[in-house]
Amino acid sequence: GAVVSQHPSWVICKSGTSVKIECRSLDFQATTMFWYRQFPKQSLMLMATSNEGSKATYEQGVEKDKFLINHASLTLSTLTVTSAHPEDSSFYICSAEGRQGASEQYFGPGTRLTVT
Amino acid sequence: GENVEQHPSTLSVQEGDSAVIKCTYSDSASNYFPWYKQELGKGPQLIIDIRSNVGEKKDQRIAVTLNKTAKHFSLHITETQPEDSAVYFCAAAGNQFYFGTGTSLTVIP
Repeated sequence: GAVVSQHPSWVICKSGTSVKIECRSLDFQATTMFWYRQFPKQSLMLMATSNEGSKATYEQGVEKDKFLINHASLTLSTLTVTSAHPEDSSFYICSAEGRQGASEQYFGPGTRLTVT
Repeated sequence: GENVEQHPSTLSVQEGDSAVIKCTYSDSASNYFPWYKQELGKGPQLIIDIRSNVGEKKDQRIAVTLNKTAKHFSLHITETQPEDSAVYFCAAAGNQFYFGTGTSLTVIP
């Protein structure tokens, strides 16, 4: 199957700093990528949808100025958590959707963010 | 929008027994139903999926059934093994992708 990578797999940062997480589709072109957030023992919560070359669409309640998303190419999307606070600590997961739409969606391994 | 409900939230079975997880959805436009296995600290991995034009699909010890009329679909794992222990998520997709709430499966050796 298709492979999606995330980098870093885990990161610890100090409160007030910014952190960038990369999501790459390794063997297919992703027209759309999704960013999810997952709290312990809970399901994935969609944060935003990004389409290559256009602005991301954020879900209700997600601050677009805090969670900056850039989808500069068909294989790379980045999520930047700006001015991170301890409450931003979470597991962030991206997924990449191919040209067949939702039937071709593959998830990355996730990034564990801890803000101290 | 879509509402995907998943039951049970936790499930414990003895090794070798079968496990069944059920999901219901509300949007008639949903036509793709994947199941994911998520191990601790990892991203979801697709284990099986089914489309709306099929009623059942099987892959070795894993099977999925779909009842479009009743809007429910189920995951069946037979001959469970300890390595099957994980959190399982169903999803329903049409124009958008909606996850179920997850089931924590524990297979007791």
